[in-house]
Amino acid sequence: DADVTQTPRNRITKTGKRIMLECSQTKGHDRMYWYRQDPGLGLRLIYYSFDVKDINKGEISDGYSVSRQAQAKFSLSLESAIPNQTALYFCATSVRTGGNEQFFGPGTRLTVL
Amino acid sequence: AQRVTQPEKLLSVFKGAPVELKCNYSYSGSPELFWYVQYSRQRLQLLLRHISRESIKGFTADLNKGETSFHLKKPFAQEEDSAMYYCALQTDSWGKLQFGAGTQVVVTP
Repeated sequence: DADVTQTPRNRITKTGKRIMLECSQTKGHDRMYWYRQDPGLGLRLIYYSFDVKDINKGEISDGYSVSRQAQAKFSLSLESAIPNQTALYFCATSVRTGGNEQFFGPGTRLTVL
Repeated sequence: AQRVTQPEKLLSVFKGAPVELKCNYSYSGSPELFWYVQYSRQRLQLLLRHISRESIKGFTADLNKGETSFHLKKPFAQEEDSAMYYCALQTDSWGKLQFGAGTQVVVTP
């Protein structure tokens, strides 16, 4: 089955470390998204990409960067992790047409000590 | 500014009782709204979207533009409905979503 996968699934790191979260998809979707989920805040969009050459900042992009290495891969980096970046991170994909559903990965639980 | 409000953080209901999850939005354009659900240990997934006007797992949601609401309803809650529910608003033609804070539903026998 076509899928959205995320690695790692869990990560504990220390303040100041560089961290990369990876997302891969076999759905053939053009659009990919990174969200973070915090209790009481729901999901907030960090970055999104509509194709390999198109990357856009979302609602909370400060402290994060992304790379779209291929249609199927979208990585999220924390250049210098800080404790308030402790959260559950989700990758999602969708097809080109607006109004279609987003398909989510299983999430990466990141803890910054 | 676009905003999605889910006023209830937690909704506890008995099995067989009706359940209604509230969602209000603010958006200047023509809204497209969705309900996503996250069951325990499962991925976030689409439950229903207003343009489809469908009923999924017994849930329905009606878009009320006058009240800017998109409440999710089910007449008889089941234990398997226990989950986190998110209301989401599509904010542009490119498919970006803005999510509400979520409502945790607990259905007790």
